[in-house]
Amino acid sequence: RKEVEQDPGPFNVPEGATVAFNCTYSNSASQSFFWYRQDCRKEPKLLMSVYSSGNEDGRFTAQLNRASQYISLLIRDSKLSDSATYLCVVKMRFGAGTRLTVKP
Amino acid sequence: GAVVSQHPSRVICKSGTSVKIECRSLDFQATTMFWYRQFPKQSLMLMATSNEGSKATYEQGVEKDKFLINHASLTLSTLTVTSAHPEDSSFYICSMGDHYGYTFGSGTRLTVV
Repeated sequence: RKEVEQDPGPFNVPEGATVAFNCTYSNSASQSFFWYRQDCRKEPKLLMSVYSSGNEDGRFTAQLNRASQYISLLIRDSKLSDSATYLCVVKMRFGAGTRLTVKP
Repeated sequence: GAVVSQHPSRVICKSGTSVKIECRSLDFQATTMFWYRQFPKQSLMLMATSNEGSKATYEQGVEKDKFLINHASLTLSTLTVTSAHPEDSSFYICSMGDHYGYTFGSGTRLTVV
C-alpha cells in the first residue's frame, strides 16, 4: 500500500460546482498534513495546511479524519482558475495528485 | 512569505557528466531540506532529506553515490547528479520548511542527452 493515496481523477466540473478530493495515508503517526496545488510544469504551491479541527479558507475547506486516516479538500463555487493538480502531502510524502479541470 | 531560490532552472548535459543543482533560502534558515524528483505525469517522489551539518537520509531505491547531497549551511543545499544518464532526465525540486508548511524552489528541468 502506498503511503499516500489520492482519488485518481481527473475531475471535470462546470464553473460554480462543488468538488471534493480525498486522500488516505498509511502512517498513523503522521502529524503534518497539507494540500498543495501544482500548475502544469510549475513547482507546487501550498494551498492550505490541514488541522485536526478542520479549517476553511474562503472557498476551500480541509478536513482531517485521524480515525480513518484520510484528509479531504472541498472546493465550493469552482472557478476556471482552480484548474490544476491538487496534491495531498502527509509527512512530506506526496500523493499522486488529482487533476481538476473547471469548464465554463 | 518564505522564498527558496533554485538554479539552474533548466540544464542540458551530456551523458556521463555531472550536474549540480543549488537551493538557497533567501529569508529564513532551514535545518532540513527535501529533494524531490518528478517524472512526466507522475507525482513528486521524495529522494532524500538533508540535514545541515550531517549526512543526508536517502529514500529506498535512491543511490546515494549517484545523487550527492550537501547541506553545508542553514541556507544552502546542493544536489549533484553524478555520471548522469538519459534516465536521470527529470524535474528536480527542493523544499524547505517546517510543520507550518513547506516552500518549494522553482525546480530544475534536467535533460541528459
